[in-house]
Amino acid sequence: DAGVIQSPRHEVTEMGQEVTLRCKPISGHNSLFWYRQTMMRGLELLIYFNNNVPIDDSGMPEDRFSAKMPNASFSTLKIQPSEPRDSAVYFCASSWDNSEAFFGQGTRLTVV
Amino acid sequence: AQSVTQLGSHVSVSEGALVLLRCNYSSSVPPYLFWYVQYPNQGLQLLLKYTSAATLVKGINGFEAEFKKSETSFHLTKPSAHMSDAAEYFCAVSGTGFQKLVFGTGTRLLVSP
Repeated sequence: DAGVIQSPRHEVTEMGQEVTLRCKPISGHNSLFWYRQTMMRGLELLIYFNNNVPIDDSGMPEDRFSAKMPNASFSTLKIQPSEPRDSAVYFCASSWDNSEAFFGQGTRLTVV
Repeated sequence: AQSVTQLGSHVSVSEGALVLLRCNYSSSVPPYLFWYVQYPNQGLQLLLKYTSAATLVKGINGFEAEFKKSETSFHLTKPSAHMSDAAEYFCAVSGTGFQKLVFGTGTRLLVSP
């Protein structure tokens, strides 16, 4: 298996633009997590899905952020409109039930 | 609620020396505890986990950690550092297994020849 695949690896966008981050979990995994990593706040869980259903989105910072998982093999994290303070590395991770979560390589987002 | 505190944002050791990375946790329920490693421009990789079985947990790459309830600690150790161990290490806690991890701020391990 190729592991968790995230795209793009790097994204530079202007303030106010919409940004969509993509994640393909490991085949067969039924839980998917979105994390954000910043120098100031470290690693934070934004949202997680189980069997494509959002279970806990309490970490989503505000309404500008939304996440979807239309099927078991794809998830998106959207920021609209983007702001400079959204600049961070966004990680997607997946797992099977309550087993080890495997992380993707992350998307480095820069909002200018 | 759960939280972890990692003491020291940077730890420097010489190759061959003991590695000790400190983590203290707070949890209102029996915790699950984890150590992850992050190499530059990579995602996080699980080193080891504690899930209420043995208090001394052995992980990959020669690392181990000991759960001490009385000290609320879960320090990571390795007897002999290798240059390839240079990375950032994160301690994490959960009250519900892997479903909702709360990470510490990370400790960058520097290994000098």
